[in-house]
Amino acid sequence: DGGITQSPKYLFRKEGQNVTLSCEQNLNHDAMYWYRQDPGQGLRLIYYSQIVNDFQKGDIAEGYSVSREKKESFPLTVTSAQKNPTAFYLCASSLTDNTEAFFGQGTRLTVV
Amino acid sequence: GQQVMQIPQYQHVQEGEDFTTYCNSSTTLSNIQWYKQRPGGHPVFLIQLVKSGEVKKQKRLTFQFGEAKKNSSLHITATQTTDVGTYFCAENPDNNAGNMLTFGGGTRLMVKP
Repeated sequence: DGGITQSPKYLFRKEGQNVTLSCEQNLNHDAMYWYRQDPGQGLRLIYYSQIVNDFQKGDIAEGYSVSREKKESFPLTVTSAQKNPTAFYLCASSLTDNTEAFFGQGTRLTVV
Repeated sequence: GQQVMQIPQYQHVQEGEDFTTYCNSSTTLSNIQWYKQRPGGHPVFLIQLVKSGEVKKQKRLTFQFGEAKKNSSLHITATQTTDVGTYFCAENPDNNAGNMLTFGGGTRLMVKP
């Protein structure tokens, strides 16, 4: 089945550790996105990528890093510099500019 | 960043009542998309509006795009308990800066049976 997969669904880390969240899609989409969602809040854009080997910062990129070495994959690293990393992280992809986005199931990260 | 204002933030309705959420942007939009997120789930695409003044319907849902392409609304007629969730608008600015899909804060709809 085609789709977008995030793993793991739940992730626990100790404060001060970097952690990488996986996002893979087999939809042949060019654009991929990472969003952060806090309880009862909207989606805030962290990073997005329109094409392989290219990505741009969103509104809240500080403390995060990404890579786009393959079209299918857009991993997000939450670094120790991110002051409040506990949140629900959503990855999405879309075919091209201005087309609908498909979301993964999300990763709920808890830093203790 | 872009300002995507969505109101109201919350809405409680009795089953059978109507519901409307509004989205306003500070910039002219290339298009606007609407998503629904069920509690505990991920956002799911509902519709995309592209043309000025466009109106689209999906059963009990009516979507409108403003004439100036700066605002949009989603109206649900005769709500049902299955409509519960958070409705988000998402915008693409009309500035050729690429596809930076930005979401509004969402409207959380609660329906009392």
